[in-house]
Amino acid sequence: GENVEQHPSTLSVQEGDSAVIKCTYSDSASNYFPWYKQELGKRPQLIIDIRSNVGEKKDQRIAVTLNKTAKHFSLHITETQPEDSAVYFCAASHTLLPSMKTSYDKVIFGPGTSLSVIP
Amino acid sequence: EAGVAQSPRYKIIEKRQSVAFWCNPISGHATLYWYQQILGQGPKLLIQFQNNGVVDDSQLPKDRFSAERLKGVDSTLKIQPAKLEDSAVYLCASSRTPLRGVQETQYFGPGTRLLVL
Repeated sequence: GENVEQHPSTLSVQEGDSAVIKCTYSDSASNYFPWYKQELGKRPQLIIDIRSNVGEKKDQRIAVTLNKTAKHFSLHITETQPEDSAVYFCAASHTLLPSMKTSYDKVIFGPGTSLSVIP
Repeated sequence: EAGVAQSPRYKIIEKRQSVAFWCNPISGHATLYWYQQILGQGPKLLIQFQNNGVVDDSQLPKDRFSAERLKGVDSTLKIQPAKLEDSAVYLCASSRTPLRGVQETQYFGPGTRLLVL
C-alpha cells in the first residue's frame, strides 16, 4: 500500500549547524508535501510545504526540496537553534475524485524524526 | 481564526470501559480527520469526513471504534470496549475542501491523551 518513509529517526546537531531530514513516498500520484513540527506535548504545526510543480521552496532558515522522479523530498534547517528541537513529520498527499461532486485529500504521514539541537 | 478544539485533553480508563472524544473543527472546514498517534510514531488516520459523510475509514477498527459527524460540524470518536493498545494521543484535524486538485493544509487540535490501564 501507500507508504512514506522518513530518515533518520533521531538526529542530534550542535547549535548553529544544519539539519537534514529525508522522506520517500511510494504513491506517484502524490503532489503535495507538507512538513509538520511537533513539540513535546503539543499539536503538530505546519512549518513549510511544497507542491509538485516546484523543486525547491525556502522560508528563512527552512527549505524543502522535491525530486518527483526519485519520489523523495527533504527538509533542510540551517543555523539550528535550541527551539528547533522537536519531532518533525513529513507527509505526502494527493486528491481523490471518487465522483463528479466529491473530492478529498488522502494524506500519509512519515514516522517522524526527533531532532535535538545541543546548545 | 479559532483553532481546532478537542476535549477532554486527558483521559484514564480501565480496559473494557468506553470512552468518547469530541472535536470542533475550524469554522468552514468541510474535511475532518481523526488520527491515532502512538508514542514515537507518526499520526495514523482512523477516519476522514467530508461534511457529514465518511470518505475513508479503511484503518478504523470497526469492531470497537466508531465516529460520527452530525450536521457536518462537530465530531465524536468512541471506543467501546477499550484495550490496552488503544493508549495513544487522538488528534483531530480539519481542512478546507480541495478545489481543482489543490490540496489544503490540515490544522490539528491539541489532542486527547488516552491511557488505558
